[in-house]
Order: sequence, then C-alpha cells, then structure tokens
Amino acid sequence: QKEVEQNSGPLSVPEGAIASLNCTYSDRGSQSFFWYRQYSGKSPELIMFIYSNGDKEDGRFTAQLNKASQYVSLLIRDSQPSDSATYLCAVMPQNTGNQFYFGTGTSLTVIP
Amino acid sequence: SQTIHQWPATLVQPVGSPLSLECTVEGTSNPNLYWYRQAAGRGLQLLFYSVGIGQISSEVPQNLSASRPQDRQFILSSKKLLLSDSGFYLCAWSVDRDYEQYFGPGTRLTVT
Repeated sequence: QKEVEQNSGPLSVPEGAIASLNCTYSDRGSQSFFWYRQYSGKSPELIMFIYSNGDKEDGRFTAQLNKASQYVSLLIRDSQPSDSATYLCAVMPQNTGNQFYFGTGTSLTVIP
Repeated sequence: SQTIHQWPATLVQPVGSPLSLECTVEGTSNPNLYWYRQAAGRGLQLLFYSVGIGQISSEVPQNLSASRPQDRQFILSSKKLLLSDSGFYLCAWSVDRDYEQYFGPGTRLTVT
C-alpha cells in the first residue's frame, strides 16, 4: 500500500466548474498535509497546507481534511484554463524524520 | 522574502561522467534543505535532506551524494552517472520539519 494515493486522472472539467481532487494516506498519525500545483516542465508550487480537520479556504481553493477517514481533498471553484496542471498531494507522517510522502499527482484539464 | 536558486537548469551528460548540481537559498537562516528526483511520469522521490551544515541524511541508496558546505548551500554530486540517473532534480527548503516545503526551479538531467 502506498503512503499517499491519488487518482492519476486525467480529470477534465469545463471552465467555471468546480474541480475536486482527492488524496488518501496510510499513516493515521499524519499531522501535516499539503497541495502543490505542477505545470508541465516546471517545479511544484505550494497552493495550500492544512493541519486541522475541516475546511480551509484561500481564494478559489478549499482544502478539506478528514483525519478519521484519512483523506484530504482540494476543491477549485470557478476553474480556469490556467488551472490545468498536475496537482500533488503531500503528507508528513508522524514518525518519518523529515520525509514528506508525495502522491503521484492528478492531472487536471480545464476545458474553455 | 525567500528565494531558492538551482543551476544549471538543464544538463546533458554521458554515462560515467561526474555530476555537480547546486542549490542556494536566500532570505532565511538554518533552513531544512532537500533534494528530490522526479523521473518522467513518476512521483517525487526524496534523495537527501539536511537540517544543518554538514548534516546529511540519505533516503535512497544510490550512486549520488550530497553535501552542505554552507548554511544555505546544498550540493548534489555523483562520481559516475548511470542512465537511470536521468530525471528532474528539485531542491526544496523549509523552516522546519512539519512545515511546507518550497521548491527551486529544478535541473533537468539527461544521461546519454
């Protein structure tokens, strides 16, 4: 079982719709959760981080964390073509020193 | 504000040649530093991390090594490259273990 799992996609949504990206993790003691966006050929860019159960909103982005079910999700409202990228979920497990575990990413395409 | 630099941006090297990639961080002191590799179509693999000068932890046994000669400088090296060393090498920094990591622009290495 992988430490962090994401659907690879591709996920396609029309412009203006809500894109929903999901991530599950295996270490129940994990405390820190991150979403990164990676455009093709570029390095990952931090979008959001969340530490507590519930929702955290930042502009068009909302991160949702459910520790009991061991999943974290990212909602993108009013999706734009510029949101087309691969989204990486990262988790800091409880007892792994300094190692983030990254998912392999979900490819999102926003169709104009 | 903090910035992170990597060079070179791209590199083409023959099998068996040496490698030196450099990463520097500006605008912060005593950062945690990380080296990742992202192979084509695959997730991020943590190679090394460092919590201070001269302190290097290796996550994956390989023919690569890392050094941290100065507080904000992190170097990735190899004495003899293998074809399997090709990939996108990313340096990242964070203020501490549980906090978000910020990535540099990356070095795309092709071993021929």
